[in-house]
Amino acid sequence: GAVVSQHPSRVICKSGTSVKIECRSLDFQATTMFWYRQFPKQSLMLMATSNEGSKATYEQGVEKDKFLINHASLTLSTLTVTSAHPEDSSFYICRVGLAGPPLFFGPGTRLTVL
Amino acid sequence: AQKITQTQPGMFVQEKEAVTLDCTYDTSDPSYGLFWYKQPSSGEMIFLIYQGSYDQQNATEGRYSLNFQKARKSANLVISASQLGDSAMYFCAMRDLDNFGNEKLTFGTGTRLTIIP
Repeated sequence: GAVVSQHPSRVICKSGTSVKIECRSLDFQATTMFWYRQFPKQSLMLMATSNEGSKATYEQGVEKDKFLINHASLTLSTLTVTSAHPEDSSFYICRVGLAGPPLFFGPGTRLTVL
Repeated sequence: AQKITQTQPGMFVQEKEAVTLDCTYDTSDPSYGLFWYKQPSSGEMIFLIYQGSYDQQNATEGRYSLNFQKARKSANLVISASQLGDSAMYFCAMRDLDNFGNEKLTFGTGTRLTIIP
């Protein structure tokens, strides 16, 4: 069965609104979760590392005020895209920071901003 | 320099033939791991195979095998007897440590494989 879930799987929103994406570790406790963004026909790019009980670590070029990450429990991390714009339309995938192999990814969330 | 290089943006292969997807990597960390993932149009990342840097033998998983040539820093994926369901995007990824000792997972740009009936 699935180890990691993401909700929603697909979301369409208007420009300027905020969207929250949840990533849940179903069978394991995870102190660390990773958030990736994948634009069409491109590879996965790490956006940030989410640490339970502390601030997330963002990759260079990722706006921390725009992509808010909260890792309030050992099984849940949320990514909020604030004031979304069409250029934020992308596929967002989380990964649970468990020792692998394999590496456990969520099924992804496809965000479309109109 | 890129850490993971996949030089084949797209490949077309006849059904039932074998196919090799290329992957080269670069790291100064003696301990690292190499992964291959399949990503169908649904977007989910499907784990295929893993090779550790200290593994003596090439990894195999069913129809998947990894041609690991450490000295050449290559980790090519071989799919035997290809099937229509193998059509997807394939990513090579490397896990190693950065200069601060933090785990890093780096993906290649991917190869889109299309199996022709």
